[in-house]
Amino acid sequence: TQLLEQSPQFLSIQEGENLTVYCNSSSVFSSLQWYRQEPGEGPVLLVTVVTGGEVKKLKRLTFQFGDARKDSSLHITAAQPGDTGLYLCAYTNFSGGYNKLIFGAGTRLAVHP
Amino acid sequence: DVKVTQSSRYLVKRTGEKVFLECVQDMDHENMFWYRQDPGLGLRLIYFSYDVKMKEKGDIPEGYSVSREKKERFSLILESASTNQTSMYLCASNSLPGSGYGYTFGSGTRLTVV
Repeated sequence: TQLLEQSPQFLSIQEGENLTVYCNSSSVFSSLQWYRQEPGEGPVLLVTVVTGGEVKKLKRLTFQFGDARKDSSLHITAAQPGDTGLYLCAYTNFSGGYNKLIFGAGTRLAVHP
Repeated sequence: DVKVTQSSRYLVKRTGEKVFLECVQDMDHENMFWYRQDPGLGLRLIYFSYDVKMKEKGDIPEGYSVSREKKERFSLILESASTNQTSMYLCASNSLPGSGYGYTFGSGTRLTVV
């Protein structure tokens, strides 16, 4: 099972600031997914990136898949308190004939008004 | 709205008790999963199931078992709870057979073993 390293672990910013969080590995992935988990809730899928170099936008969130498909980034423009949460990246692991989703440890983001 | 429902949000159990965590989905999904989430470790897969009465071990199955008697219900069982099983437990499901895409998660059960 390959490792997904997410950085930074914690990020505390003021409303209106921009930020980028990273998801890195030494392995090549067929796809990566990004989830957001709000306090007291389960993770919610934000996006799946599949093609190397792909960029996807979800309102103020921009997701990029590295050209070599080993890493991904999430950029948030003009962060708002509602963006507060744990951001998780995940990849599909093919093992024993089954597909399983493997997660990184996450970046915990706090956006202060 | 599609839903994965976990029966309890919070549970406190004593060491040695047998604990049942229940998960029900209303999306007719074939695949169901149990994860535990601990600070700094992310989500780790305990068990998963691709069909009724079928189960497969994940990365950390020790101390756990599962049951899937009906398609919509996937139960996680702690045979003899221990303090190191204190954690947030998350159930998930998805629809594409054998696929890792698009998991829907429940809200989680925070279990404390004392």
